[in-house]
Amino acid sequence: EAEVAQSPRYKITEKSQAVAFWCDPISGHATLYWYRQILGQGPELLVQFQDESVVDDSQLPKDRFSAERLKGVDSTLKIQPAELGDSAMYLCASSFGGSSYEQYFGPGTRLTVT
Amino acid sequence: SQQGEEDPQALSIQEGENATMNCSYKTSINNLQWYRQNSGRGLVHLILIRSNEREKHSGRLRVTLDTSKKSSSLLITASRAADTASYFCATAGITYSGAGSYQLTFGKGTKLSVIP
Repeated sequence: EAEVAQSPRYKITEKSQAVAFWCDPISGHATLYWYRQILGQGPELLVQFQDESVVDDSQLPKDRFSAERLKGVDSTLKIQPAELGDSAMYLCASSFGGSSYEQYFGPGTRLTVT
Repeated sequence: SQQGEEDPQALSIQEGENATMNCSYKTSINNLQWYRQNSGRGLVHLILIRSNEREKHSGRLRVTLDTSKKSSSLLITASRAADTASYFCATAGITYSGAGSYQLTFGKGTKLSVIP
């Protein structure tokens, strides 16, 4: 069964350092999402791509976060510089065609900023 | 911001019992989805119900949607220890965010514990 791949699974970094997360969605899924999930809460959307274009990045802290999906397939989310408050689970999801369809989630990257 | 609010926040039941979780939301929706998350892992889609549907079944799951009350419920029948997880409702709002999609907003979840 096809799955969304994410790496790394765990990342520990010091504040002010740069960190990057990678996501490979299910083949054929045009829509890709990055979510942030703080412990004890639900995921919050950071950015949504349709193919290689950003559809929604209204919740992305653009002073330190950036995301790209250059060829409309895999995607990278970067934080620079990392802050203590960025410690969270970063989840990637993909879907066939937007929020009218179910989303398939990867295992996530657990980020700890020290 | 999170629109869906699940109730209760935590639920503990014996194996074999039924579990009911509720979700309330504030604005009009295109659809409502339920997801399960096992501890420290990604989310798994359970069921999607559209705004013009009132009830949907999938295996041991039954979801209802009352758009007049802006609420939904998820019923898991004959629960098993493997059902232990957090359950989230997610609403797809009708605010068009571009390219034919609607932003999916998750609640804080209900933590279900099924005791063997």
